[in-house]
Amino acid sequence: GAVVSQHPSRVICKSGTSVKIECRSLDFQATTMFWYRQFPKQSLMLMATSNEGSKATYEQGVEKDKFLINHASLTLSTLTVTSAHPEDSSFYICSARDSGTTSNQPQHFGDGTRLSIL
Amino acid sequence: AQSVTQLGSHVSVSEGALVLLRCNYSSSVPPYLFWYVQYPNQGLQLLLKYTSAATLVKGINGFEAEFKKSETSFHLTKPSAHMSDAAEYFCAVSGAGTASKLTFGTGTRLQVTL
Repeated sequence: GAVVSQHPSRVICKSGTSVKIECRSLDFQATTMFWYRQFPKQSLMLMATSNEGSKATYEQGVEKDKFLINHASLTLSTLTVTSAHPEDSSFYICSARDSGTTSNQPQHFGDGTRLSIL
Repeated sequence: AQSVTQLGSHVSVSEGALVLLRCNYSSSVPPYLFWYVQYPNQGLQLLLKYTSAATLVKGINGFEAEFKKSETSFHLTKPSAHMSDAAEYFCAVSGAGTASKLTFGTGTRLQVTL
């Protein structure tokens, strides 16, 4: 089955640090990937849609200069949390849909990255 | 616009009992509906999906869901709960197209007791 690999699984760092999270589709190509944020015991909130070779589309209220997204290839998207602060601490999850299939195929999710800013 | 409502943030059943997790949707276009399961500190795993084919959808781990257009519902069921089913369950809706966004419900935590 389709596998999405997300790295790292956990990050603990000091306030002011920038953190990069990688999302890779291992056995399929994805022109579109999605980045979500999940607070404890809450649902997933879509942050942005990552588009290969073009700018990401951000949801309302998400700071694009804070959360930099790069989708340089058909199998890799990165999310960089710039100058992270404690309020950025959260669980970040990426997903991807196989571009080579029909439109009704589901999104496949990575295992998430728990970011803790001290 | 699309939205999903999951009734009951927490459901508790005994092992061997019927599992019923409720999901109602709202969509301005024919919906694609999904159920995902999330175990602690992990991503989401697809249980099953409805994409305009059969209205009764069978998924992994013995789960199934029925799409009822008249009730705008897509409830998840399992005849007999196992301890390993304890997790967070999310219902989600999307439109067509590979770039279509998923809109999630608020989730239902399933507890299975002995």
